[in-house]
Amino acid sequence: GQNIDQPTEMTATEGAIVQINCTYQTSGFNGLFWYQQHAGEAPTFLSYNVLDGLEEKGRFSSFLSRSKGYSYLLLKELQMKDSASYLCAVLPSNTGKLIFGQGTTLQVKP
Amino acid sequence: EPEVTQTPSHQVTQMGQEVILRCVPISNHLYFYWYRQILGQKVEFLVSFYNNEISEKSEIFDDQFSVERPDGSNFTLKIRSTKLEDSAMYFCASSEVRDRPYEQYFGPGTRLTVT
Repeated sequence: GQNIDQPTEMTATEGAIVQINCTYQTSGFNGLFWYQQHAGEAPTFLSYNVLDGLEEKGRFSSFLSRSKGYSYLLLKELQMKDSASYLCAVLPSNTGKLIFGQGTTLQVKP
Repeated sequence: EPEVTQTPSHQVTQMGQEVILRCVPISNHLYFYWYRQILGQKVEFLVSFYNNEISEKSEIFDDQFSVERPDGSNFTLKIRSTKLEDSAMYFCASSEVRDRPYEQYFGPGTRLTVT
């Protein structure tokens, strides 16, 4: 089967760093994506990993370990506007359909 | 920056009625998708479309659903006879290439409420 797990909720303080974990089991692997979704809005693309290692993009970084079926999204210098759901999604092999996790709702507090 | 657009933003319909949700994908994209998200639940794949035919569909995408690209720009999702459980946010997405994992760009969504 295909399964993606991430924590349901997290809370962090403005200015701090937070790490959101994601573990996955899918039939083949062709990339892992992180999306940000504010309430009532569409997911917006944050990052993409297909090889092991860390990808950095401004305040956001994403890490992948394919052997462990594990990824994390690291958010630095948290801002209030970072309060949102963060969706981990995997693209299995031989398909174009993204498999999404449940999403992690991050609340940033002052 | 090019974007996927969707209309309407919110559709209210009565159970048993037909609805058509519309999407305009990014112009040079070739792969089109519909996803849905029931309130409080995860985003679920419905169907993908390429070269004027369905590439893949999920078990959710039964005979009540159909997709069409009626012209060079629009991509539609039709639900023939809506049920209460069809109430959800429907997202259209498009991507340039399927086999190389480019990110899929999502539209703003249509909130469908079935009463």
